[in-house]
Amino acid sequence: DGGITQSPKYLFRKEGQNVTLSCEQNLNHDAMYWYRQDPGQGLRLIYYSQIVNDFQKGDIAEGYSVSREKKESFPLTVTSAQKNPTAFYLCASSIESGTGRNSPLHFGNGTRLTVT
Amino acid sequence: DQQVKQNSPSLSVQEGRISILNCDYTNSMFDYFLWYKKYPAEGPTFLISISSIKDKNEDGRFTVFLNKSAKHLSLHIVPSQPGDSAVYFCAARGWGGTSYGKLTFGQGTILTVHP
Repeated sequence: DGGITQSPKYLFRKEGQNVTLSCEQNLNHDAMYWYRQDPGQGLRLIYYSQIVNDFQKGDIAEGYSVSREKKESFPLTVTSAQKNPTAFYLCASSIESGTGRNSPLHFGNGTRLTVT
Repeated sequence: DQQVKQNSPSLSVQEGRISILNCDYTNSMFDYFLWYKKYPAEGPTFLISISSIKDKNEDGRFTVFLNKSAKHLSLHIVPSQPGDSAVYFCAARGWGGTSYGKLTFGQGTILTVHP
């Protein structure tokens, strides 16, 4: 079955540590995205990538970094510079964000990160 | 600046009745709108969408209406079922400028359908 796998489901870190969230897809989608969900704020875009070796900042990129070395993988690093890292993080993909812009996003099941 | 707004945090309806979820947007560069459904601890799943050139799209029990002049869309679920209880997110996709290809989500509405 094709889909998006996010791991781990729950992650705990001490303040000041960087942490990397994994996202892998086998849907052969070109575009991948990272969102965070906070109560009462919906989903906010952190970073997105339309093609391998290219990515753009979303609306709340500060304190985060990404890489897109392979089509299937789009890991997100939450750095110590992120002031409020505790959240539910969602990875998504779509066929193509350009000409295929009417293709819906497919989401993974998320990673809940808790930083204390 | 919230470009996509769902002003009702929650909605409670009786099984068999109609559920109406509302969404307002401010950016005229949006040309495609989607509704997602989300259960706790899971990722959202795509429900239904509508292009800005249409005013209605129907899929089984789900219908989305778009009023471009009012920058308003709504999702109708009829008849509502207990399994429809979830958080519903409205989303809009931009077609130009810095919004191109990006989805902007509303805050979500928690729907509870009582048996």
